[in-house]
Amino acid sequence: SQQGEEDPQALSIQEGENATMNCSYKTSINNLQWYRQNSGRGLVHLILIRSNEREKHSGRLRVTLDTSKKSSSLLITASRAADTASYFCATKGSGAGSYQLTFGKGTKLSVIP
Amino acid sequence: KAGVTQTPRYLIKTRGQQVTLSCSPISGHRSVSWYQQTPGQGLQFLFEYFSETQRNKGNFPGRFSGRQFSNSRSEMNVSTLELGDSALYLCASSFGANNEQFFGPGTRLTVL
Repeated sequence: SQQGEEDPQALSIQEGENATMNCSYKTSINNLQWYRQNSGRGLVHLILIRSNEREKHSGRLRVTLDTSKKSSSLLITASRAADTASYFCATKGSGAGSYQLTFGKGTKLSVIP
Repeated sequence: KAGVTQTPRYLIKTRGQQVTLSCSPISGHRSVSWYQQTPGQGLQFLFEYFSETQRNKGNFPGRFSGRQFSNSRSEMNVSTLELGDSALYLCASSFGANNEQFFGPGTRLTVL
């Protein structure tokens, strides 16, 4: 079952603009991870943020986590055409025996040159 | 360090056949997870292995099975294939339960 829900489902921006994607989830988590996928290929790991962290940066990526609202956002600054892809958030539950990631349906980002 | 590798990359089978997919995790990673991705259902968890033991299984029929070897390599098997089993099958490895999961390129299975 889907836990994370990304918003928007699709996003189209011009090269150089910033792109923001949001993710909401339902249960308590240990961590939340963001992935990128190009055209049905494998998932590329972007960033992991733990439940006790509020913000993380990696290059042009900025991820925030608000556990009180059960939501996260991924900001890509100064977007490039190569950023065109689908982006997924995935949550890792905090309960005992929770080993899998639960994915949302993803945001399809199109960056227009 | 080499990434997660999956073989084969593409498979075409007919209904009723069975298939075995292989995954080699990143060196040093002992946890291997399998996911199925379809346009309709998205990414769904199949099972997770650690030190040759299945620790968790998703909501899939018994036709889906897997195993892990002592070198952490893993295989998944689907028996009596159905058209709905057509999907991208992704394998991921991680160092520990709460660490990053790194994915392989996937195996694209088409059932005719």
